[in-house]
Amino acid sequence: AQSVSQHNHHVILSEAASLELGCNYSYGGTVNLFWYVQYPGQHLQLLLKYFSGDPLVKGIKGFEAEFIKSKFSFNLRKPSVQWSDTAEYFCAGGQLEEDNNDMRFGAGTRLTVKP
Amino acid sequence: DVKVTQSSRYLVKRTGEKVFLECVQDMDHENMFWYRQDPGLGLRLIYFSYDVKMKEKGDIPEGYSVSREKKERFSLILESASTNQTSMYLCASSSLVLAGNEQFFGPGTRLTVL
Repeated sequence: AQSVSQHNHHVILSEAASLELGCNYSYGGTVNLFWYVQYPGQHLQLLLKYFSGDPLVKGIKGFEAEFIKSKFSFNLRKPSVQWSDTAEYFCAGGQLEEDNNDMRFGAGTRLTVKP
Repeated sequence: DVKVTQSSRYLVKRTGEKVFLECVQDMDHENMFWYRQDPGLGLRLIYFSYDVKMKEKGDIPEGYSVSREKKERFSLILESASTNQTSMYLCASSSLVLAGNEQFFGPGTRLTVL
């Protein structure tokens, strides 16, 4: 079955530390991959997405992710986190096919950045 | 900007009641989705729809039904609410023609069933 897994449930970092959140997917074929962020009290919003081309994807607020097909991974990175990055992060994957428009989400990783 | 709105931010219902959650999107998207979000479980897909009057079951459809009579509106129905349906419900929409097929989310409805 198609699935997306996130390895870390809760990550605590100090400001200026580097961040890497793991994400693995189990899809075969052409896959679209996403990272969404949910700030406290706000709705989910897209950080970045991969659907073709350069496997290193840059998103908003200094985030990036690398699609590594051989490892079925799409890890999220940021070189230096800020207190305002405290949020929950969700990896998601789906296949853009005519009869398959659904997407699967990981369980989420809660990031706490200490000032 | 795409806007996805949900009829209520907070809802409290009693066990056995019929509950309607409404979702409206204003970008003429073909696809609409209902998820529930629970701590430690992420988002789980309940139902989705890729066209008016079309619906597909997601991973956890039991106890829920949906209705899509108009393209912009997708309703989630709890026929007889139970306490294990207490959760945050998120609606999303996406376009078939938008590259990458990203989903746009509403603010969520926090449902409590007593």
